[in-house]
This record gives sequence, structure tokens and C-alpha cells, in this order.
Amino acid sequence: GIQVEQSPPDLILQEGANSTLRCNFSDSVNNLQWFHQNPWGQLINLFYIPSGTKQNGRLSATTVATERYSLLYISSSQTTDSGVYFCAVERRNRDDKIIFGKGTRLHILP
Amino acid sequence: ETGVTQTPRHLVMGMTNKKSLKCEQHLGHNAMYWYKQSAKKPLELMFVYNFKEQTENNSVPSRFSPECPNSSHLFLHLHTLQPEDSALYLCASSLTGIYGYTFGSGTRLTVV
Repeated sequence: GIQVEQSPPDLILQEGANSTLRCNFSDSVNNLQWFHQNPWGQLINLFYIPSGTKQNGRLSATTVATERYSLLYISSSQTTDSGVYFCAVERRNRDDKIIFGKGTRLHILP
Repeated sequence: ETGVTQTPRHLVMGMTNKKSLKCEQHLGHNAMYWYKQSAKKPLELMFVYNFKEQTENNSVPSRFSPECPNSSHLFLHLHTLQPEDSALYLCASSLTGIYGYTFGSGTRLTVV
């Protein structure tokens, strides 16, 4: 099956810093989503981004489908950005489920 | 609120108890999912329902019993659970053919 690898696994930053999270996937996909799981467990959809670049406030994401990776950028980090960031993909031979990476745990220090 | 509502938010149950988790969505989605998230493990897909029909059961033990009475509601019935079943249980929904998944807030289950 398809492999989804996220890096780094853990990241500790000072408030105000910028960060880049990476997601590599081993096969062609027709959907990619980035989620943020807050400390209370809720998974919030950040971006649906099978290709191209999108921006939403301090967050932006870029997916290069031909090279099988996606990047999530967080600028001017805030303590509320802390949590786990998951990348999830759907495979080209769609079978109605998504595959999650193991996540990047981000901790923003005040 | 994401549009997918899960209840209860927290549940503590003994190994001999029977309880149910509930998930509800009014987004017009036709597919619903149960995921399990244990400490320091990736999200594990448990069950998939498409138009009320179960299309996937990922080798889940029979002590977990899903029910999908309609496209808007999904239940997970629990009985004789083990302490290792303690985890965060997440429900999600999607509209087949239009990508993107929406998750509920989860139920944090503790089995004692």
C-alpha cells in the first residue's frame, strides 16, 4: 500500500518563528489534505490540496504531485499552533478511504 | 464545530459494560468512518460505511460493533472491552466523488 512519511516527527520552536513541515508519499494520489489536531484531540482540516499552492492567513501549503510531496508552511508561529499536523492522502484507485502519515508534533514556546 | 458531532466527548467504562458512541453529520455526506487513535500511533481506520452499507472492516475485533441506520448517523457499540482499547475514537464523513474529509471532535474512551 501507499506509504506516507512526514518530517520532522517533532518540532519545538519559539513563538514568532517560521516552520516548514513535509509530507512524502510513495504513489500517485488524487487527494491530499493537511489536518491540525489540537491538544484536545480535534482534527481540523487546514487544506485540501491535491496540487498547487494555497494560503490561509499565516498558513500556506504546496503540493508537487509529480514529485510526490507536499509542504505546509507556518509563519509567525503562535502558541495556539501547537499540536500534531497530519498529512493524509487518497490513492489514485480510489477505495473510499484516506491514508494518514504519523504526524509532526509541533510545540510552540511562549 | 466542524459539522460532524460526536457524543459523548469522554467515556469511562468497565470491561463488563456495554456502551455506544454516536456520530452525526448534516453535511449531506454519504460516507462515514470510524477511526481509532491510540497514544503515539497513527490513525487506524476501523470501519467505512457508504450509503449505509458497510464497505470496509479493517480486522476489527467483534467487541466493536458498528451501526449505520442512515447516511447521517453512525454508532459504535462497545462491549467487553479491554484496557488496551482505551483511545480516542474519531468519526469522519465525506461525499464520495468530491474529495475532502470532515472529522468530529472525537470520544476519548478509557477502559478500566
